[in-house]
Amino acid sequence: KAGVTQTPRYLIKTRGQQVTLSCSPISGHRSVSWYQQTPGQGLQFLFEYFSETQRNKGNFPGRFSGRQFSNSRSEMNVSTLELGDSALYLCASSFGRSSYNEQFFGPGTRLTVL
Amino acid sequence: GQQLNQSPQSMFIQEGEDVSMNCTSSSIFNTWLWYKQDPGEGPVLLIALYKAGELTSNGRLTAQFGITRKDSFLNISASIPSDVGIYFCAGSPNTGNQFYFGTGTSLTVIP
Repeated sequence: KAGVTQTPRYLIKTRGQQVTLSCSPISGHRSVSWYQQTPGQGLQFLFEYFSETQRNKGNFPGRFSGRQFSNSRSEMNVSTLELGDSALYLCASSFGRSSYNEQFFGPGTRLTVL
Repeated sequence: GQQLNQSPQSMFIQEGEDVSMNCTSSSIFNTWLWYKQDPGEGPVLLIALYKAGELTSNGRLTAQFGITRKDSFLNISASIPSDVGIYFCAGSPNTGNQFYFGTGTSLTVIP
């Protein structure tokens, strides 16, 4: 069974631009969660989508948004990029049921903002 | 967001030694997960725990869900060089699918 895939793997943008990252979950998984990982803050939860609806949201500004499609694929968008947005963005998929909610991560997208 | 207290922050051990690390939280969790992350890659799930007191093994790895439901432990026996990496704990209070992550334990194994 294929794992979680994320595209692109690496991205370089400049301040003020916007970026869209993509995540394809494991087949059969309906929940996709997004995390930001930086050396200083560690893994921080951005949001979670389940069946095309945002179910949980972390403490990030509105510049960070996401969506999920009917095939469970998810995209994350960051508008008006800032230098501090440079990070590894990880998505994780799970079945989404509370009793079996172990999450499997993709390889991440390394975003560098210049 | 909430973060879990994970210790130790780093470990330098000789090949063949056993390793122990733990995570504590001020909140009760219903799920504990342990991950290993190599540089530039996503975390890989090692062990999942769902019941207080549960003890689960995966090869040389053993993890326990603390009785208080506020902590978890990971042990690695007879460490080998490929155990090198950063180990993370993650806990979920079962409100939806939101997980909180520990700050990580960096493990170095000296051959």
